[in-house]
Amino acid sequence: EVQLVESGGGLVQPGGSLRLSCAASGFTFSTYSMNWVRQAPGKGLEWVSYISSSSSTIHYADSLQGRFTISRDNAKNSLYLQMNSLRAADTAVYYCAREGDAFDLWGPGTMVTVSS
Amino acid sequence: DIQMTQSPSSLSASLGDRVTITCRASQSIRSYLNWYQQKPGKAPKLLIYVASNLQSGVPSRFSGGGSGTDFTLTISSLQPEDFATYYCQQSYGTPYTFGQGTKLEIK
Repeated sequence: EVQLVESGGGLVQPGGSLRLSCAASGFTFSTYSMNWVRQAPGKGLEWVSYISSSSSTIHYADSLQGRFTISRDNAKNSLYLQMNSLRAADTAVYYCAREGDAFDLWGPGTMVTVSS
Repeated sequence: DIQMTQSPSSLSASLGDRVTITCRASQSIRSYLNWYQQKPGKAPKLLIYVASNLQSGVPSRFSGGGSGTDFTLTISSLQPEDFATYYCQQSYGTPYTFGQGTKLEIK
């Protein structure tokens, strides 16, 4: 089955760190660019980060101010998001999304809650 | 950054109605405009890519149009499963901005 599954979310204190993972299966992960998108409770979609298939090109939303790092391991069919210096405003469901014809495959999301 | 503005923000309609949602970009994005449907508690689902291309498996009652800065998503005859929130997104360049969403509700 073609799918993406995120993991690694949870409750973290302000200033803390989390590493999200996204496991891909059912397709040739190494040929696709990938993205992270987040959605704060009751809010709209916000694009977070992009990584090309070979990791040669990476982009981030300006709002992250250098706190997040995207990476991938094509041998493990996995995408990652290292999140540091977390703030309450980072509380959201985080989705990984495959970039084929637009964002054509999404995972179910993982919830990140930043609170003391 | 390219700003995406959807209208309306919410819409009430009846089964069988034809509805149109519009999306405007703050600068030309050629045809790099995509539409997604999201239901509560679920991930977004791609409906239309590059302005007018129907994603595989999406019913033909959905259609998209436009180019440059002005785009539309039309549902020709509303079905019960279409009541959801719809987002446009530009893929002209990063940051890949989304519209604020249009919530389609049952009248």
